[in-house]
Amino acid sequence: EPEVTQTPSHQVTQMGQEVILRCVPISNHLYFYWYRQILGQKVEFLVSFYNNEISEKSEIFDDQFSVERPDGSNFTLKIRSTKLEDSAMYFCASSRTATDTQYFGPGTRLTVL
Amino acid sequence: ILNVEQSPQSLHVQEGDSTNFTCSFPSSNFYALHWYRWETAKSPEALFVMTLNGDEKKKGRISATLNTKEGYSYLYIKGSQPEDSATYLCAFNRSNDYKLSFGAGTTVTVRA
Repeated sequence: EPEVTQTPSHQVTQMGQEVILRCVPISNHLYFYWYRQILGQKVEFLVSFYNNEISEKSEIFDDQFSVERPDGSNFTLKIRSTKLEDSAMYFCASSRTATDTQYFGPGTRLTVL
Repeated sequence: ILNVEQSPQSLHVQEGDSTNFTCSFPSSNFYALHWYRWETAKSPEALFVMTLNGDEKKKGRISATLNTKEGYSYLYIKGSQPEDSATYLCAFNRSNDYKLSFGAGTTVTVRA
């Protein structure tokens, strides 16, 4: 069964460094999302992406964040200069249409020291 | 910010017993209610998507109901098994807004 994959599973970085989190969505899906869960808090929406552009973003998704679909398979989240409060589990999700079920990857745990 | 609440935060069930827990969400501009099952170190697994008031969905021993007028959904586990131990997340989205707003989850631990 097709699944969303994410790499790495765990990333440790120093404050101020750039990180790129990678996702491979399900191949025939057209809508892509990033969510995150800070430890002890709810899963929260960051950004949605369709037709090679951002369709919606939350207040969290400021200028430090960017997303890209560099080729036909990968979907990346870049944090330009990480802060301590960026430490969280980052989930990628994809769906076939805007209203279909969103399928989630296993997450990347980002730890900023 | 859409307030999605789940209750209880956690529960312990004896193997073979049945259990249920709730998700409440804003009832205005409702589009869909989603249930996910999440085991540590795995992807959250989509269980159900419900869109119509009165919807009932079933997958094996797990079932869910939906009341959009009062803004709640129940998830039921019949005859709990150790493999049902997981965090169950509900998520809600409004019409014309396809991002999901999640509850904090209910963590179920099934004791053998």
